[in-house]
Amino acid sequence: GQQVMQIPQYQHVQEGEDFTTYCNSSTTLSNIQWYKQRPGGHPVFLIQLVKSGEVKKQKRLTFQFGEAKKNSSLHITATQTTDVGTYFCAEANTGNQFYFGTGTSLTVIP
Amino acid sequence: EAQVTQNPRYLITVTGKKLTVTCSQNMNHEYMSWYRQDPGLGLRQIYYSMNVEVTDKGDVPEGYKVSRKEKRNFPLILESPSPNQTSLYFCASGFGSTGNTIYFGEGSWLTVV
Repeated sequence: GQQVMQIPQYQHVQEGEDFTTYCNSSTTLSNIQWYKQRPGGHPVFLIQLVKSGEVKKQKRLTFQFGEAKKNSSLHITATQTTDVGTYFCAEANTGNQFYFGTGTSLTVIP
Repeated sequence: EAQVTQNPRYLITVTGKKLTVTCSQNMNHEYMSWYRQDPGLGLRQIYYSMNVEVTDKGDVPEGYKVSRKEKRNFPLILESPSPNQTSLYFCASGFGSTGNTIYFGEGSWLTVV
């Protein structure tokens, strides 16, 4: 199946530091969705990006879709302990199949 | 309250004993899907359905069956479970896979011994 690579796999940051996770594909993506999964929880939809170069913000979270629609990033400014969890990117192709990245597990040290 | 409900949440079973994990949503969603989550592999789609009586294979359908007889229910069937199907399973639903929020159930931990 199609591969969506996500890096880094793990990230430990001090509370207050910034955090970024990257999602890359060798092929052009139809769209990119981002999810957050708290430890022991289920994935929760955060946002979807569709347009080339699109940037969306949710409070301290900034989501970007690359100009070539082959990569995306999620940046968190001034992390808090409530940001702990695993962040997944996913592509939903026009055939309704979902391809998830392997996720980035974020630990925030108080 | 809008929700996706899976049962059972936890199950230990033996190889070859047929089991069904139920999934129900109360949001009148057309789209429903099953995923399995394994360490280092992220979430992989098993099957999905765009409407009643319409199902399609995802990335890892081998060893699984699904049915969509009613809009609200999408059970996952393991006819003859094997240890490599030990995993965390999630059901999800939405109005469509593109452009709409997808809601996940709480997850079902399945262990096959």
